[in-house]
Amino acid sequence: AQSVTQPDIHITVSEGASLELRCNYSYGATPYLFWYVQSPGQGLQLLLKYFSGDTLVQGIKGFEAEFKRSQSSFNLRKPSVHWSDAAEYFCAVGNSGGYQKVTFGTGTKLQVIP
Amino acid sequence: DAGVIQSPRHEVTEMGQEVTLRCKPISGHNSLFWYRQTMMRGLELLIYFNNNVPIDDSGMPEDRFSAKMPNASFSTLKIQPSEPRDSAVYFCASSLARTGGLLISNTEAFFGQGTRLTVV
Repeated sequence: AQSVTQPDIHITVSEGASLELRCNYSYGATPYLFWYVQSPGQGLQLLLKYFSGDTLVQGIKGFEAEFKRSQSSFNLRKPSVHWSDAAEYFCAVGNSGGYQKVTFGTGTKLQVIP
Repeated sequence: DAGVIQSPRHEVTEMGQEVTLRCKPISGHNSLFWYRQTMMRGLELLIYFNNNVPIDDSGMPEDRFSAKMPNASFSTLKIQPSEPRDSAVYFCASSLARTGGLLISNTEAFFGQGTRLTVV
């Protein structure tokens, strides 16, 4: 069965600092990978996705993620964090064939301090 | 496009009552998902429809939960009778499943703003 692990429940960074959120997945074949962001009281918004091709994926709001098959990882990065980035971030994995079932990680809550 | 629309945004009900959550997916999308989000269990997929047909309902917790999709533009999730442990935020999401021969793959899912259910 597919699964996702986000080892960091909560991360605090200073505004302007760089950010890396960790995500490890378990899936037997090439996965579909996603990062979503959830602001308080809101639904989930897609930041970026990886289906195939270039392993470095660019997303919205200045985020990027790199798929590393050897490490089963799909870490999210941003070079300079803004206060508006404070939110909860979810990594998700979907199966690459047939009807897609997406499994979400438990989320990482990002706090940005001045 | 208005996105995925869920109603109500908030629902407070007494234990034992029937609760119906509603979802209107994005026009043209043919896949619809119901998720439940709690602090303890995170985001759980409850049921997945493709072309209005339930494909995977293995996440539905028990018989008190039922979901329907009578047409491509409307789905309901019903809990009868409701219990305090059903309190959670329920999300609906939709996506477009593309077919390539016998292979069906989904693009990303778009989420509604959720219904916060409180059962007292």
